[in-house]
Amino acid sequence: VLTQSPATLSLSPGERATLSCRASQSVSNYLAWYQQKPGQAPRLLIYDTSNRAPGIPARFSGGGSGTDFTLTISSLQPEDFAVYYCQQRGNWPYTFGQGTKLDIK
Amino acid sequence: EVQLVESGGGLQQPGRSLRLSCAASGFTFDEYAMHWVRQAPGKGLEWVSRISWNSGNIHYADSVKGRFTVSRDNAKKSLYLQMNSLRAEDTALYYCTKDLIRYSYGIFDSWGQGTLVTVAS
Repeated sequence: VLTQSPATLSLSPGERATLSCRASQSVSNYLAWYQQKPGQAPRLLIYDTSNRAPGIPARFSGGGSGTDFTLTISSLQPEDFAVYYCQQRGNWPYTFGQGTKLDIK
Repeated sequence: EVQLVESGGGLQQPGRSLRLSCAASGFTFDEYAMHWVRQAPGKGLEWVSRISWNSGNIHYADSVKGRFTVSRDNAKKSLYLQMNSLRAEDTALYYCTKDLIRYSYGIFDSWGQGTLVTVAS
């Protein structure tokens, strides 16, 4: 089970965002992050904890290991306000967290 | 450019069947594992099924095991999901997704726009 916190994060453009994902058992480094905007499919941001997917801006970074992971957005842009999901492939079956909604303060 | 286009969704009664399709283009289809991921209305994401590049390795979520069957036709660059014994809780937008890395599993780097399945009487 992946548990994301907080459920909602209200910040202003330019601020730093830190999203958390905690696994009930170790997933090694096999943790990914996705961004989803209303009416759109999810988009891969980070895979295997800290690798940015092709085309993802450098303001997105990931960290952690084992059971505790973070997604950091260094300086929020207007287009970053969305729902973020973590996902693990370290244990069977693949699972997603319940999501963190990042909205504009 | 990678494109994944799902089709086959619609309204179906509980206990009946539907077959979803996903047409792929823009990449070497037979080198990548493919997945189905679903999202119930207003809810989060749920992984449904995975099929390896050569169909030799297939897995399902417990929630659909024994009712859904995933398959692929590499010659047609297509992925399928046969959904039998549908339940109300199968109502969701079904996404076709591609793995990021050739001959690897579990990183969903490209997604279709989804096809909506509604199960209701």
